[in-house]
Amino acid sequence: AQTVTQSQPEMSVQEAETVTLSCTYDTSENNYYLFWYKQPPSRQMILVIRQEAYKQQNATENRFSVNFQKAAKSFSLKISDSQLGDTAMYFCAFREGRGSTLGRLYFGRGTQLTVWP
Amino acid sequence: SQTIHQWPATLVQPVGSPLSLECTVEGTSNPNLYWYRQAAGRGLQLLFYSVGIGQISSEVPQNLSASRPQDRQFILSSKKLLLSDSGFYLCAWSTLPGQLLTEAFFGQGTRLTVV
Repeated sequence: AQTVTQSQPEMSVQEAETVTLSCTYDTSENNYYLFWYKQPPSRQMILVIRQEAYKQQNATENRFSVNFQKAAKSFSLKISDSQLGDTAMYFCAFREGRGSTLGRLYFGRGTQLTVWP
Repeated sequence: SQTIHQWPATLVQPVGSPLSLECTVEGTSNPNLYWYRQAAGRGLQLLFYSVGIGQISSEVPQNLSASRPQDRQFILSSKKLLLSDSGFYLCAWSTLPGQLLTEAFFGQGTRLTVV
């Protein structure tokens, strides 16, 4: 099984500030997918952003962007202009890619982000 | 559009009783299906994965089993529940790797408490 590591169990940030969540992963594959999911108190899993490993350009979705370092196997999430609604558990996830017939999806343990007013 | 239904939302079961959680997907065919467990304060642990009818991969040895009797139906079962089976269970679906939609889509989850 692939491993995904999130070394920050908890993070906090003040409203309107910027915060970066860390994630590293371990794989021998060359083609794969990476994701950040958000889980608010409702516990519904919501996709925040995705990154295909074959793309060198870092993905961006409005206030959310990633820093994808393929050689270092690092995939951090930057949240700019943090809002109170960003308070949630954030999960980093790795999915086996086109070279795999399975395409399994593995998650890290999560980072609880709290945004303070 | 695709939707995923998971039920029940909440379940309280005594130790030693059986379990059946059901998940169905609509609006897509031949989905990859997943069962995850989320223990308190922990991440999502992949329990079972299926790429087709009757094809189940178990990720961790445990007291649970999974079945896929129809293309868009995924069932999580146990013959005798243990206290350690308590947790939040999530069903998810995705397309095959390499297709346009690469991410997984999740159900609402089932909170299982074994007493």
